[in-house]
Amino acid sequence: RKEVEQDPGPFNVPEGATVAFNCTYSNSASQSFFWYRQDCRKEPKLLMSVYSSGNEDGRFTAQLNRASQYISLLIRDSKLSDSATYLCVVNPGEGRRALTFGSGTRLQVQP
Amino acid sequence: NAGVTQTPKFRILKIGQSMTLQCTQDMNHNYMYWYRQDPGMGLKLIYYSVGAGITDKGEVPNGYNVSRSTTEDFPLRLELAAPSQTSVYFCASRHNPGQQNTEAFFGQGTRLTVV
Repeated sequence: RKEVEQDPGPFNVPEGATVAFNCTYSNSASQSFFWYRQDCRKEPKLLMSVYSSGNEDGRFTAQLNRASQYISLLIRDSKLSDSATYLCVVNPGEGRRALTFGSGTRLQVQP
Repeated sequence: NAGVTQTPKFRILKIGQSMTLQCTQDMNHNYMYWYRQDPGMGLKLIYYSVGAGITDKGEVPNGYNVSRSTTEDFPLRLELAAPSQTSVYFCASRHNPGQQNTEAFFGQGTRLTVV
């Protein structure tokens, strides 16, 4: 089983739609969680951290469910500029010092 | 601040050649990482370093070597290039992971093709 699993997509949605991505992680000791965005042929960039209580940043909402070991990202009112690959990222903890990346979910927002 | 700078941006190597991918950061981050990303895949950790003089293997270290003589620089060495090393290589750095939610900053990547 992969440490971090995501649906690869692509998710094709119209502008203005609401779209949700899920991600599961296998290590129950994982300590911190992130969503990164990666545009085509570019480096990943932090979209938002994910906190236990859930958090929101404008049109983006992230949720963490430790009991079920999954993380979600909700994008409301999708824009064309949201088209990208969204990477679920986990800090495994337990003395490991590098982030573990999911394979990413590709989103294509269409006019 | 330039952030994380990688050179070169593109490179074509012949099988068996060697090269060094350069990475430097000006944010005084202790932790630095090398990842590779194959088409349509996530990032896989090659090597990482928690400070000058300290390096450790990641998930896919075979065929690579690293050194960390200074806080700023973390070069990745390919000794005998193989077609399986064709990939995009990203260097990243991070500050004080003891604070759990610190952001990792990435360089722009090096696109390497081995023919």
